[in-house]
Amino acid sequence: QKEVEQNSGPLSVPEGAIASLNCTYSDRGSQSFFWYRQYSGKSPELIMSIYSNGDKEDGRFTAQLNKASQYVSLLIRDSQPSDSATYLCAVYNTDKLIFGTGTRLQVFP
Amino acid sequence: GAVVSQHPSRVICKSGTSVKIECRSLDFQATTMFWYRQFPKKSLMLMATSNEGSKATYEQGVEKDKFLINHASLTLSTLTVTSAHPEDSSFYICSASAGTGNSPLHFGNGTRLTVT
Repeated sequence: QKEVEQNSGPLSVPEGAIASLNCTYSDRGSQSFFWYRQYSGKSPELIMSIYSNGDKEDGRFTAQLNKASQYVSLLIRDSQPSDSATYLCAVYNTDKLIFGTGTRLQVFP
Repeated sequence: GAVVSQHPSRVICKSGTSVKIECRSLDFQATTMFWYRQFPKKSLMLMATSNEGSKATYEQGVEKDKFLINHASLTLSTLTVTSAHPEDSSFYICSASAGTGNSPLHFGNGTRLTVT
């Protein structure tokens, strides 16, 4: 079982819609969770971090964490074409940040 | 804040030569930096953890004699790809955390290495 799993996509949504990105992880003891956005040919940039169960909102982004289900998600409201990128879920495993394979999001006008 | 600078952004070298990549934390001190490698359409794979003043910790399957890491100061880590081969062609990205514990990592802009 992979440590961090994501659907590779692509996930296609129309402009203005809500994009929902999901991630599961295997280490039940993980405490820190992150979402990164990566444009093609660029390095990842941090979008959200979440450490406790529930929702965390930042602008159009909402991260959701459910430690019992070992599940973390990212919602993007009012999706824009500029949101088209690969979204990487990352989870700390002891002292290493482990990345999922990423979900490619396509927002079409 | 939390800016990580990586240089060069792109390098082309011939097989058998060595390439050095620098990673600097510009506005914070980093006792630990991380080196990742990413192949096209693949996720980031941790290569090694660079520890200031001590030896790097390499992930399983990563040759420490091929990928030399030096972390001589709190703001600089270097990765040297020795005797490069075409299969070493990849996107190398360094990262560091400005906080303690399990703080988020901030990434440099990456180095696109092409070995001909």
